[in-house]
Amino acid sequence: EVQLVESGGDLVQPGGSLRLSCTASGFTFSSYWMSWARQAPGKGLEWVANIKQDGSEKYYVDSVKGRFTISRDNAENSLSLQMDSLRAEDTAVYHCVADRRSVTAKYWGQGTLVTVSP
Amino acid sequence: QSALTQPASVSGSPGQSITISCTGTSSDVGGYNYVAWYQQHPGKAPKLMIYDVTNRPSGVSNRFTGSKSGNTASLTISGLQAEDEADYYCSSYTGRRTLVFGGGTKVTVL
Repeated sequence: EVQLVESGGDLVQPGGSLRLSCTASGFTFSSYWMSWARQAPGKGLEWVANIKQDGSEKYYVDSVKGRFTISRDNAENSLSLQMDSLRAEDTAVYHCVADRRSVTAKYWGQGTLVTVSP
Repeated sequence: QSALTQPASVSGSPGQSITISCTGTSSDVGGYNYVAWYQQHPGKAPKLMIYDVTNRPSGVSNRFTGSKSGNTASLTISGLQAEDEADYYCSSYTGRRTLVFGGGTKVTVL
């Protein structure tokens, strides 16, 4: 059974930093594109960033470029999202997502809540 | 990277069919056959229901059907059931290894 378990969500002040983690199991992690998607409270889904199987390619939505960094450790079956210079509009549940291709989002984790507030 | 346009809500009675639209541009929906649909029940993770416009993952009911014409994709749910009540999101590949989602549609079973 595929499992994606996120952690690291917290309450943080504007301008602060946070690091999210995702632990994967039940599939060959190194064969999958990994992504982060987020959902603000009561709002829709937003794709945030993704990383290629070997980590050689990374892509970001414009609103987080220069502030967020996605990374992965295939030996540990883990995905991370380093979030700096956080803003109120970054408040959301952040989901870890896995797919063999970069064109869909097949497996989703339950998410971890990030709240950016004074 | 503007969000794809979906109706805020769609409703139907049990047994009926409903269709949810997802409108983008020639740079996303119209440019690639990589439209997907997701179902999300409250407090749960999204679940992939349709990929590559028309394909269903293993285990997804054949009551769910996807299609596309030009810059608009559609999801049809036939034989509507109470368990289908949920939020539905479309997504499209935009090129450059990025995705864009729709704003979501709340489906209500009357």
